[in-house]
Amino acid sequence: GAGVSQSPSNKVTEKGKDVELRCDPISGHTALYWYRQSLGQGLEFLIYFQGNSAPDKSGLPSDRFSAERTGGSVSTLTIQRTQQEDSAVYLCASSIRLAGGGTQYFGPGTRLLVL
Amino acid sequence: DAKTTQPPSMDCAEGRAANLPCNHSTISGNEYVYWYRQIHSQGPQYIIHGLKNNETNEMASLIITEDRKSSTLILPHATLRDTAVYYCIVRPIDSNYQLIWGAGTKLIIKP
Repeated sequence: GAGVSQSPSNKVTEKGKDVELRCDPISGHTALYWYRQSLGQGLEFLIYFQGNSAPDKSGLPSDRFSAERTGGSVSTLTIQRTQQEDSAVYLCASSIRLAGGGTQYFGPGTRLLVL
Repeated sequence: DAKTTQPPSMDCAEGRAANLPCNHSTISGNEYVYWYRQIHSQGPQYIIHGLKNNETNEMASLIITEDRKSSTLILPHATLRDTAVYYCIVRPIDSNYQLIWGAGTKLIIKP
């Protein structure tokens, strides 16, 4: 594909429900990142995948958040028992190289609203 | 915490050069300076990055001071479509790690 794609583009859910957000990285990119962005704020790192290595989960805000990356490609971010403070834009990025520069290419994001 | 300081907002007239400053006084020798921008309701877009030397590509130029404590992103002929939030980020060379984002500069291009 031409770029990073994310789905759904918008998601409205009720407090307490679980949601799954999907990211399709650029083909061949070995690194994948999830960020979230609250209204008017910069991006907040959530989790990072690199190849077959254990993911860096240091940015996940609570144990209600988890993510998987299957086959080194598609990733799913899951939020369990959603809370209103989880409302934000969730952005996925991928990059081609581990080192020597980290040009990350971003998807359009999923706008999550928890009522 | 972000390692960069940027003005919260700037205006520029259409067709003129937009010069966006960034201070990174604590930058270390193995850290690149990256610039991204985010147009309203879109994901961030990579613009340019550099280590020591000035860089230019089809989108912009990056001027890094000799002491590397500050840099300037230059959009040579700003258009209305360049209205966006511009983020300056420093990142270690051999790092696969996340970018640490500040609040950026809201650049408004006026007709």
